[in-house]
Amino acid sequence: AQKVTQAQTEISVVEKEDVTLDCVYETRDTTYYLFWYKQPPSGELVFLIRRNSFDEQNEISGRYSWNFQKSTSSFNFTITASQVVDSAVYFCALSDPVNDYKLSFGAGTTVTVRA
Amino acid sequence: SQTIHQWPATLVQPVGSPLSLECTVEGTSNPNLYWYRQAAGRGLQLLFYSVGIGQISSEVPQNLSASRPQDRQFILSSKKLLLSDSGFYLCAWGGGAGGPYTQYFGPGTRLTVL
Repeated sequence: AQKVTQAQTEISVVEKEDVTLDCVYETRDTTYYLFWYKQPPSGELVFLIRRNSFDEQNEISGRYSWNFQKSTSSFNFTITASQVVDSAVYFCALSDPVNDYKLSFGAGTTVTVRA
Repeated sequence: SQTIHQWPATLVQPVGSPLSLECTVEGTSNPNLYWYRQAAGRGLQLLFYSVGIGQISSEVPQNLSASRPQDRQFILSSKKLLLSDSGFYLCAWGGGAGGPYTQYFGPGTRLTVL
């Protein structure tokens, strides 16, 4: 069975600090996909990134970066120089073709960036 | 480009009343479609998903049902709402040129059952 764990419930930082969100996953499949979504106060889930299990390259997109480590089953997300607009709930998720690409979500981490 | 619509945006219904939430997708064909519910302060729970017209898979037994009368239309219904049905309902689609594995979410419907 698939499982995604986001151990951090809430993180509060001051603007311009870096913040790292942890995500640990469990799956028996060799082919799978990992995701991060952002849920701002408006409620809509915004897709941030997808990684497949065969691509362990880290990725950077502006102030966002992702560290995928298959050896530790982790897919961590770092926001560099945080801004107030980064305040949101962030979800890590996992899917695989065997399960019709259904997403298994973590419980989410609430990030609050204070001015 | 693809867009996903949900309506209504908010809804307040009495216990025991019926429910119909609608989701439509534009700009793609034969998408996978999903209904999720998010209770207040909680994570996302997959309720139903569909890989084609008339094909519905239920993830959680409850008093809700789903239907897909057209390729890009997904409807969530209930004959009699319960207090526990309150929550934020999100529709998502996956598929198209990017493959079925990435899901894109609609703006959601906030349902309050009184």
